[in-house]
Amino acid sequence: DTAVSQTPKYLVTQMGNDKSIKCEQNLGHDTMYWYKQDSKKFLKIMFSYNNKELIINETVPNRFSPKSPDKAHLNLHINSLELGDSAVYFCASSQEVNYGYTFGSGTRLTVV
Amino acid sequence: RKEVEQDPGPFNVPEGATVAFNCTYSNSASQSFFWYRQDCRKEPKLLMSVYSSGNEDGRFTAQLNRASQYISLLIRDSKLSDSATYLCVVNDRSSYKLIFGSGTRLLVRP
Repeated sequence: DTAVSQTPKYLVTQMGNDKSIKCEQNLGHDTMYWYKQDSKKFLKIMFSYNNKELIINETVPNRFSPKSPDKAHLNLHINSLELGDSAVYFCASSQEVNYGYTFGSGTRLTVV
Repeated sequence: RKEVEQDPGPFNVPEGATVAFNCTYSNSASQSFFWYRQDCRKEPKLLMSVYSSGNEDGRFTAQLNRASQYISLLIRDSKLSDSATYLCVVNDRSSYKLIFGSGTRLLVRP
């Protein structure tokens, strides 16, 4: 009965590899997000999709590509991983931003 | 200037104490305001929304001052379980996203 679920929870990979993180929500929300939390704990938005359409694309390297096959899923693919990509990536969803977000439990990515 | 600014702390208080956190935001067009709580190695969770008239939820009271672009959170009778990082969050309606402060860390000691 998890509301927003992300997989995997932990990901350790070498520089240069390509990896994907998956996110699914069963709340019926229209909007989904990817946030990155760096080592200083600062949460920064990367992307947002509303009903499968990209509505927010912050200044993120184009090695990061989100994909939303339907409004309940938002996946994140990262090409050519770099050391600086190490962080916790959180997926979130909302019905309306005014009601706040529900977050997934995060994916801790470590690039070695 | 950061869009949402908070004192990082840590605030180290004894059980039973009252503690207050403040937050300022830069965009006067912001319409929605929240406090989130984040435990170590966990996801942020919504603690409470902040309304113009101020609102209370048990031991927690949130206040908004639009003129000064300032939000506060007051915790009364602190419990050990209140130890966490408290994130001030502001919605910028024009960009349909939530902007998070870097958080204020609270440590409640026995």
